[in-house]
Amino acid sequence: QLVLTQSPSASASLGASVKITCTLSSGHNSYAIAWHQQQPEKGPRFLMKLKSDGSHTKGDGIPDRFSGSSSGAERYLIISSLQSEDEADYYCQTWATGILGVFGGGTKLTVL
Amino acid sequence: EVQLVESGGGLVQPGESLRLSCAVSGFTFSGYNINWVRQAPGKGLEWVSYISTSSGTKYYADSVKGRFTISRDNAKNSLYLQMNSLRAEDTAIYYCARTASDGSAYGVGYFDYWGQGTLVTVSS
Repeated sequence: QLVLTQSPSASASLGASVKITCTLSSGHNSYAIAWHQQQPEKGPRFLMKLKSDGSHTKGDGIPDRFSGSSSGAERYLIISSLQSEDEADYYCQTWATGILGVFGGGTKLTVL
Repeated sequence: EVQLVESGGGLVQPGESLRLSCAVSGFTFSGYNINWVRQAPGKGLEWVSYISTSSGTKYYADSVKGRFTISRDNAKNSLYLQMNSLRAEDTAIYYCARTASDGSAYGVGYFDYWGQGTLVTVSS
């Protein structure tokens, strides 16, 4: 079964960097994921598609501060030079033939 | 500019029906697969349903199968979700979301544009 696991929360200081993790279930190390950001009281926003080799394609208008990387079953969202507006929920999503919509549980990022 | 705008949400009683709409602009609607995703209060995202470009393929989450029906009108650039036999657990914000073109060959794909959502509340 394809499952995405995220830590419920993360925090970092204004101006610092943070790495948010999404872990694919066993046997699914090769899967790509997508990262989405949801600011308070807003709809989600696509950030990037992230492949198993760490290559990523960002959505329209996503700042260079957002990047991604991969290691084994883990997919990372890295946000540098944290700003107050980065305080949001972050969701990973994956997809495959025969697999319907799969989301991680989300990580709530607090900017201190 | 790509836009997806949901409407049709509201307060209904258990067992009643509601029809959601999603009006799109800024891209060729007929060329993209589209989804409904919902978010219960204080909870995460839950995929609900998918429809292919020509309506030939439709998928549903087990939680709504047999009660919800997805449809689209490419001439009107619109997506719909007919929700019947509503339950309290269907209470959520409902978003429409576009499947990215490079993910469209694999299941429901990943979502590259989202709407702002419409709130459905099921309560007596």
